[in-house]
Amino acid sequence: AQSVAQPEDQVNVAEGNPLTVKCTYSVSGNPYLFWYVQYPNRGLQFLLKYITGDNLVKGSYGFEAEFNKSQTSFHLKKPSALVSDSALYFCAVRVNSGYALNFGKGTSLLVTP
Amino acid sequence: DTAVSQTPKYLVTQMGNDKSIKCEQNLGHDTMYWYKQDSKKFLKIMFSYNNKELIINETVPNRFSPKSPDKAHLNLHINSLELGDSAVYFCASSQSLPLDTQYFGPGTRLTVL
Repeated sequence: AQSVAQPEDQVNVAEGNPLTVKCTYSVSGNPYLFWYVQYPNRGLQFLLKYITGDNLVKGSYGFEAEFNKSQTSFHLKKPSALVSDSALYFCAVRVNSGYALNFGKGTSLLVTP
Repeated sequence: DTAVSQTPKYLVTQMGNDKSIKCEQNLGHDTMYWYKQDSKKFLKIMFSYNNKELIINETVPNRFSPKSPDKAHLNLHINSLELGDSAVYFCASSQSLPLDTQYFGPGTRLTVL
């Protein structure tokens, strides 16, 4: 079964510092990977996706993610964190049939001033 | 210009009641989904419809019945509500081919008393 794991429940970072939110995947075949962000009491907003091509994927709000096949990882990164980046971040993988997504448990990002 | 909309946003009801949540998308997508987010923020696919046909039905009780009157709408009807049904329900849509991004609605917070 296609699955992703987010090993950290929470990530704390100071404003202006780089941030990384980790995600590893377990799939059969080619992985189709996504990152979403959820602000409090809001729906999920799409950040970026990896389907094929360049291992470095650039997305919304200055976020990027690096696909690493040898380490089966798809970590989310941002060079300089903002307080407004504080939210819940989900990594997801598309299932083999039916087009749905399997989500990780989520990582809460807290950026302090 | 709301892409994926859900009504109602909040739903508070008594055990045993029947309720419906409506979802509409104006993105022209051919696939729609229902996800459930529990109190621990875990997100899990419930149903997936492609061109009004059910293609994913995860282990969801028969009390949950999705209905897709057309490609732009996917409603969720829940019979005999139980305490454990309390959650946030998200509707989403995407285009099946090419592998398109899923866009999520704002969610419906269901509270069963």
